[in-house]
Amino acid sequence: GQQLNQSPQSMFIQEGEDVSMNCTSSSIFNTWLWYKQEPGEGPVLLIALYKAGELTSNGRLTAQFGITRKDSFLNISASIPSDVGIYFCAGPRANYGGSQGNLIFGKGTKLSVKP
Amino acid sequence: NAGVMQNPRHLVRRRGQEARLRCSPMKGHSHVYWYRQLPEEGLKFMVYLQKENIIDESGMPKERFSAEFPKEGPSILRIQQVVRGDSAAYFCASSPQAVSYEQYFGPGTRLTVT
Repeated sequence: GQQLNQSPQSMFIQEGEDVSMNCTSSSIFNTWLWYKQEPGEGPVLLIALYKAGELTSNGRLTAQFGITRKDSFLNISASIPSDVGIYFCAGPRANYGGSQGNLIFGKGTKLSVKP
Repeated sequence: NAGVMQNPRHLVRRRGQEARLRCSPMKGHSHVYWYRQLPEEGLKFMVYLQKENIIDESGMPKERFSAEFPKEGPSILRIQQVVRGDSAAYFCASSPQAVSYEQYFGPGTRLTVT
């Protein structure tokens, strides 16, 4: 079935560094979503991407929808301590007889930022 | 400007008891989704509901689990005769009518079965 593979699984970086993480699949996705989850809370939607090649920013975050439709990337510039959390990519199942509401999530990239 | 609300935040049940988890969507949102998250894992889709309708329950276990979203009141996820393997965080999300893949999540209910 469709799966989303995120890498790296975890990152330990110094405050001020830039961060890159990615999400890949063997299947095509028509929409990519990036969420952040902090301990004890629900995921928060950061960026939604709808078109192959699309590059979208939200403050210090930039995400790209890969040309092949099988990958997406998230970059965080000049990291700060409050960037700590788990970043998930997600997307609706494609070629699926069910609803668009059925999102598949990756296992996440856990980010730790050292002040 | 309330977001998605879930209660309780933490729920402890003994094996064999029933668990009822509640979710109130964001104002103006008529679509509700339930997901389950195990430790160190991503979220797994369970069910998608609109008011008084189940749209997609492909992720719901066949037995003991049910969900509803009545005309009035919150959406309820019900787990009967809980077992230890049901221990997880259960998240509810909601979306505006036309854009069901942009989902906004609540804080979750952490269910512990003893």
